Amino acid sequence: SQKIEQNSEALNIQEGKTATLTCNYTNYSPAYLQWYRQDPGRGPVFLLLIRENEKEKRKERLKVTFDTTLKQSLFHITASQPADSATYLCALDAANDYKLSFGAGTTVTVRA
Amino acid sequence: SAVISQKPSRDICQRGTSLTIQCQVDSQVTMMFWYRQQPGQSLTLIATANQGSEATYESGFVIDKFPISRPNLTFSTLTVSNMSPEDSSIYLCSVQVTTDTQYFGPGTRLTVL
Repeated sequence: SQKIEQNSEALNIQEGKTATLTCNYTNYSPAYLQWYRQDPGRGPVFLLLIRENEKEKRKERLKVTFDTTLKQSLFHITASQPADSATYLCALDAANDYKLSFGAGTTVTVRA
Repeated sequence: SAVISQKPSRDICQRGTSLTIQCQVDSQVTMMFWYRQQPGQSLTLIATANQGSEATYESGFVIDKFPISRPNLTFSTLTVSNMSPEDSSIYLCSVQVTTDTQYFGPGTRLTVL
């Protein structure tokens, strides 16, 4: 069966450090993978999309990698700030039809 | 980008009743979806809301329980019918604006007693 697994439910880090989140998938061959941020009581907000032919993508303090051989994406928040505290979701479009399957999310808490 | 609003933002309902959730987008979009997020869980796709035709439901979701309307390219409704406590969730609509980006509404938090 198809699975999307994100690492540990919660990640607590010190301000200024780098947070690294993992998204592993099985029985998918996605053309791209997306990362979203979700704050409590709000809908997900799109952050980054990385395509199967891209190894790495950056946006400000965010960096995403995509290894289709390992079937894994890593999401990095560098120089983390308390405002980065949120739940981060990875999502796949299995059939290239914009219907997204989401991982369970990783909740990041950045301590000042 | 797209600005999406949902009504109501939250509601508390009695079991056996129905609730209709509205989703309004500030621009015309082709692809619109409805998701459910159960407490402590991630998002699960319920259906694709098709303009001018019946919605396309994902496995485990049926039209009798979750009827959907899409009268035009900026508006859709999702009804949660004959509710039970297991339907307590956040319901979100989303739209695909570009090939890269899907925008989500703020969600409707439903509690069924």
